[in-house]
Amino acid sequence: AQSVTQLDSQVPVFEEAPVELRCNYSSSVSVYLFWYVQYPNQGLQLLLKYLSGSTLVESINGFEAEFNKSQTSFHLRKPSVHISDTAEYFCAVSEENTDKLIFGTGTRLQVFP
Amino acid sequence: GAVVSQHPSRVICKSGTSVKIECRSLDFQATTMFWYRQFPKKSLMLMATSNEGSKATYEQGVEKDKFLINHASLTLSTLTVTSAHPEDSSFYICSASGGGFTQYFGPGTRLTVL
Repeated sequence: AQSVTQLDSQVPVFEEAPVELRCNYSSSVSVYLFWYVQYPNQGLQLLLKYLSGSTLVESINGFEAEFNKSQTSFHLRKPSVHISDTAEYFCAVSEENTDKLIFGTGTRLQVFP
Repeated sequence: GAVVSQHPSRVICKSGTSVKIECRSLDFQATTMFWYRQFPKKSLMLMATSNEGSKATYEQGVEKDKFLINHASLTLSTLTVTSAHPEDSSFYICSASGGGFTQYFGPGTRLTVL
């Protein structure tokens, strides 16, 4: 069975500082990996995903994540955050060639001015 | 592209009544739709998976007679909470997949049962 661990429930950071949100997974088979962002009282929006190919994937708003198979990690990074990045971030994994997602418990990113 | 809508966004109902929530994929055909429940400050809990034209597959611990799911077309799935009680109050989120191993989520429905 697969599982996802997001060790940091909250990450406070000042505007324009770099940030890393950690995600580790466990699985006995190949996986797809996802980061979703949830703004208050809204559904989840896909931020970025890794299905195959380059292990470094990027989003349109400056986030990136790198799939590290040996460390079973998919950490999310941004070199300089904005106030508007304040949200809940969920890491998720699915078994290769399936749709079913297993979510982590989420990390609350709070950006302060 | 890949837009999923949910209706209603908020609903308040009396205990004992039934509530229907619609989930639509607006610009793609969803071969699979998923229903989640999200508790405050908690992750998403998958309730069930539905494929168009077939019965939904419920996760362990989810009452299929209480949470009725219908996936009648490739763009519409409905979740009906039957005989709702206050403990059913929650944020319900649907998602849809067009077969590309990526789920696209709706904006969610806040259900409050009085």
